[in-house]
Amino acid sequence: GIQVEQSPPDLILQEGANSTLRCNFSDSVNNLQWFHQNPWGQLINLFYIPSGTKQNGRLSATTVATERYSLLYISSSQTTDSGVYFCAVEDDYKLSFGAGTTVTVRA
Amino acid sequence: ETGVTQTPRHLVMGMTNKKSLKCEQHLGHNAMYWYKQSAKKPLELMFVYSLEERVENNSVPSRFSPECPNSSHLFLHLHTLQPEDSALYLCASSRRRGLNEKLFFGSGTQLSVL
Repeated sequence: GIQVEQSPPDLILQEGANSTLRCNFSDSVNNLQWFHQNPWGQLINLFYIPSGTKQNGRLSATTVATERYSLLYISSSQTTDSGVYFCAVEDDYKLSFGAGTTVTVRA
Repeated sequence: ETGVTQTPRHLVMGMTNKKSLKCEQHLGHNAMYWYKQSAKKPLELMFVYSLEERVENNSVPSRFSPECPNSSHLFLHLHTLQPEDSALYLCASSRRRGLNEKLFFGSGTQLSVL
């Protein structure tokens, strides 16, 4: 199956800071999604982005499919951005998840 | 609110108990999924249902038994679980099973097996 690696594993930010999370994958994919899991366990779909760039408020994502990586940008971070960010890629009709990046935003 | 509701939110059970987890989706989707999330591990896909038919079973032990009576409801029946089965169990749905489909998750059931 496809290997999904996320970095960094942990990230501590001061409120207002910007950051970049990375997702590398081992094979070409047609489906890549970013999720945010809040401290209460809820997983929210942030982006469906198999290629190109998308923006949603303070969050944006870029996937370079030919080089097998995706980046998630968080700008002007807020404490509500804390949680775990997962990258997931399509692997034989199902999504395979990375181990996640745990983000802590301090006031 | 994602449109996918799971109950109960928390569950504590002994190894000899029988319990069930429930998932309901209000999105008109045709595919539903059970995932297991253990501490410090990536999400693991357990079961996939498409149009009420189980299409995938990822080598899950028989002490976990899924049921999909219709396209809106999904159950996970639990019996004689082990302490290592303690985890967050997440239900998800998508418009259909296949490529290029966005996944929507419920809030999960935090299960503790004593």
